[in-house]
Amino acid sequence: NAGVTQTPKFQVLKTGQSMTLQCAQDMNHEYMSWYRQDPGMGLRLIHYSVGAGITDQGEVPNGYNVSRSTTEDFPLRLLSAAPSQTSVYFCASSPGLRVTYEQYFGPGTRLTVT
Amino acid sequence: AQKVTQAQTEISVVEKEDVTLDCVYETRDTTYYLFWYKQPPSGELVFLIRRNSFDEQNEISGRYSWNFQKSTSSFNFTITASQVVDSAVYFCALSDSPWAGQGGSEKLVFGKGTKLTVNP
Repeated sequence: NAGVTQTPKFQVLKTGQSMTLQCAQDMNHEYMSWYRQDPGMGLRLIHYSVGAGITDQGEVPNGYNVSRSTTEDFPLRLLSAAPSQTSVYFCASSPGLRVTYEQYFGPGTRLTVT
Repeated sequence: AQKVTQAQTEISVVEKEDVTLDCVYETRDTTYYLFWYKQPPSGELVFLIRRNSFDEQNEISGRYSWNFQKSTSSFNFTITASQVVDSAVYFCALSDSPWAGQGGSEKLVFGKGTKLTVNP
């Protein structure tokens, strides 16, 4: 199993540009989520999904969109990038249907918005 | 409100020393879950342990052990006979999300992490 994969690993955007961070998992997990990690802070939940066609907001959803058309994929879209979105983004999946279960994380995408 | 405090920002030890990473949490709920994650220099996050609020038994896994004490709202992590490969940032996290159907939003609160450096 590849586990949770994320692409790209690094990305530089200009303010106002849009892009999609890709996330895929091959563990047949229903629960998937996106987090951002900022220096000196822990992780914060952006969006999550409990199955194909079902998504919901986490703590910091503004400026991000998600969709879940398949169990395997959970892309994160930045609609109009801002410098405040400079961060490391982690995708995770879980064998449970709540955030109260352990999360398995991807390797992360380091995003810089100039 | 939920809160996780990891007061130790950085710890440096010499190989084979024992080291304890502190985690203090705040929650108003009686049902909650606590986690520890490891983030090595390579950057990925690795799940270490999950504990629910009704299980206060300490856990040992090899050189790792966890001490959960509800009376002091603490969930401390001890590494025995530390090794260089233990060098990482360790995060404690808390979730008191309600069960599905009871409303509320998903929330998993992380502490700011403790950077552990184990020197040879």
